[in-house]
Amino acid sequence: GAGVSQTPSNKVTEKGKYVELRCDPISGHTALYWYRQSLGQGPEFLIYFQGTGAADDSGLPNDRFFAVRPEGSVSTLKIQRTERGDSAVYLCASSLTGLAYNEQFFGPGTRLTVL
Amino acid sequence: RKEVEQDPGPFNVPEGATVAFNCTYSNSASQSFFWYRQDCRKEPKLLMSVYSSGNEDGRFTAQLNRASQYISLLIRDSKLSDSATYLCVVKGGFKTIFGAGTRLFVKA
Repeated sequence: GAGVSQTPSNKVTEKGKYVELRCDPISGHTALYWYRQSLGQGPEFLIYFQGTGAADDSGLPNDRFFAVRPEGSVSTLKIQRTERGDSAVYLCASSLTGLAYNEQFFGPGTRLTVL
Repeated sequence: RKEVEQDPGPFNVPEGATVAFNCTYSNSASQSFFWYRQDCRKEPKLLMSVYSSGNEDGRFTAQLNRASQYISLLIRDSKLSDSATYLCVVKGGFKTIFGAGTRLFVKA
C-alpha cells in the first residue's frame, strides 16, 4: 500500500520568504508527526497531531513555524520569514494511533535550502 | 545534557563481527523505546522495539535497563548491508526523542 508521501522533495528559497511543506500520511493513521533533521543529527521533534488537533507543539522552534491538519489527514508545515538556519530535511511520520508503542512510518522528507 | 545520548561512532567492523551500540536517556518517565535504522539520505525505518525483558529478532538483540536508563543493540554476524546509522528512540507521552545516531560501516 501507499506509504507516507511528502512534497516537494526539494525546496530552495531565499531568506525571508514563506514556504509550505506538505505531508500525506498513510490512510487511516490518526497520528501525524513533523520532525526536522540537520546533517549528522537525529530527527528533532517539532509537532504531533492526533486527528485534526495539535496535541503537542512544544518542538516548534519559534512563532515563524506553524502546522495544520484541517481534515485529520494531510498536514502542511508552514514557515514564515525563512532564515538560513531553517535549512534541513523536514520529515513527516504517521502512526495508527498516538499510543507510545505504535510504529511511526516516515516519509522521504523535504530537503529545504534557504539561501 | 541531551535527552537521548549515543556514541556517534563510526564503528568500522569486518563482516561477521559482533557489534554493540549503547544509548542512555535522561527522562525516567519515558514509556517506549525503539531502534530505528537510517540509510544515507533516506528516511528512518523501524528496526525493532525494545522491551524490558529484552528481545531478539534474528541477528539483532535489544535490551532495556530502566534502572540505569540505558538501551543497547547487539548485531551478530554483521553483513555489508547492515552499514547504516542506528538511531535510539525514546517516547514519553506524545513526544518522540531521537538520539543523534551511531554510524556503522561493515567492510568485506
